[in-house]
Amino acid sequence: GENVEQHPSTLSVQEGDSAVIKCTYSDSASNYFPWYKQELGKRPQLIIDIRSNVGEKKDQRIAVTLNKTAKHFSLHITETQPEDSAVYFCAASIRARGAGGTSYGKLTFGQGTILTVHP
Amino acid sequence: DGGITQSPKYLFRKEGQNVTLSCEQNLNHDAMYWYRQDPGQGLRLIYYSQIVNDFQKGDIAEGYSVSREKKESFPLTVTSAQKNPTAFYLCASSITWVNEQFFGPGTRLTVL
Repeated sequence: GENVEQHPSTLSVQEGDSAVIKCTYSDSASNYFPWYKQELGKRPQLIIDIRSNVGEKKDQRIAVTLNKTAKHFSLHITETQPEDSAVYFCAASIRARGAGGTSYGKLTFGQGTILTVHP
Repeated sequence: DGGITQSPKYLFRKEGQNVTLSCEQNLNHDAMYWYRQDPGQGLRLIYYSQIVNDFQKGDIAEGYSVSREKKESFPLTVTSAQKNPTAFYLCASSITWVNEQFFGPGTRLTVL
């Protein structure tokens, strides 16, 4: 099955600096790569995602890059702010076939990165 | 108010007891998922369902069971066969498997 490795497990930066979190995946058939942010005591929420036909996607201070050949993707946060402090999870989605030819898919998550932004 | 809800927020269980966690969504999503979250291990998939009356085992299905009798509901039963059930359980739903998953607020289960 799919295996997703995420690094680093913890990341500490000063406010205004950039933060980069990297993930690798094992199955070349994976085609959807979301990033989730989970604040303490809250549910995970999608912050950005990218599909396998795109190499880069940007949304204000957040960007994600995908290298299909190397099977890795990265989250970039610029001009970090204290409210960016949270746990960030990457994930990869792979398609599977169920009974009767129905398409299924599931996300495999990385282990998470605890990002701390110091004022 | 649309969304995905889970109940209860906290649940305590004695060893040897089965317990059922509720997950309901009114987003008209076809796909629903159950994850377990333990410190330092990310989210691990327990079961998932793409359509009513069908579901698939995830990566850690042993000791758990589910049903999908209605599109809106995907309850998870933690059975006595689950050796280490104390964890934070998250339910999620999405339009299809290749779209954003929306998470519920979670249920924290503690086995006494």
